[in-house]
Amino acid sequence: DAGVIQSPRHEVTEMGQEVTLRCKPISGHNSLFWYRQTMMRGLELLIYFNNNVPIDDSGMPEDRFSAKMPNASFSTLKIQPSEPRDSAVYFCASSRTGVGANVLTFGAGSRLTVL
Amino acid sequence: SQQGEEDPQALSIQEGENATMNCSYKTSINNLQWYRQNSGRGLVHLILIRSNEREKHSGRLRVTLDTSKKSSSLLITASRAADTASYFCATVPGGYQKVTFGIGTKLQVIP
Repeated sequence: DAGVIQSPRHEVTEMGQEVTLRCKPISGHNSLFWYRQTMMRGLELLIYFNNNVPIDDSGMPEDRFSAKMPNASFSTLKIQPSEPRDSAVYFCASSRTGVGANVLTFGAGSRLTVL
Repeated sequence: SQQGEEDPQALSIQEGENATMNCSYKTSINNLQWYRQNSGRGLVHLILIRSNEREKHSGRLRVTLDTSKKSSSLLITASRAADTASYFCATVPGGYQKVTFGIGTKLQVIP
């Protein structure tokens, strides 16, 4: 298995632009998580899905952020409009809930810079 | 919000020494996990300890869990320069789903 695949790896955009981050989880995993990592705030859980259904989006900072999981093999995190404070590394992780007690496999991350 | 808090936030040791990192958490858990993150990479799972376990070993890693104190520790024995990374604890409540990370301990092992 190729692991969790995230794209793009790096994104530089200007304030106000729309940003879409993509994630392909490991085949057979039924939970998907989006995290944001910054020096100041550490690793924050933004949202997680179970069987493609959003379970907890309490970590999504604002209405500018939205996430979807249209099927078991694809998820997106969208920021519209983007702001400089959104600059961070965004990680997607997947797991097989109930097996291995929810051990996460992380993607390599998408580094976002908003100018 | 962060569930776990690691201590210390940074640790610098000589190669061959043991490294101990601590994690405290606030709510009840089903299990606690430790992850490692090399610079510029995603997190990698190291070891998991369930709430009914007190100690677990994996190679040079030893994890303890004290549910009465809501704390865990990760011991890396005979450290190597390649152990240089950030280490995070993650708590998993009942229900197996939500996984919340602490702020991490940055370990530097000097050759």
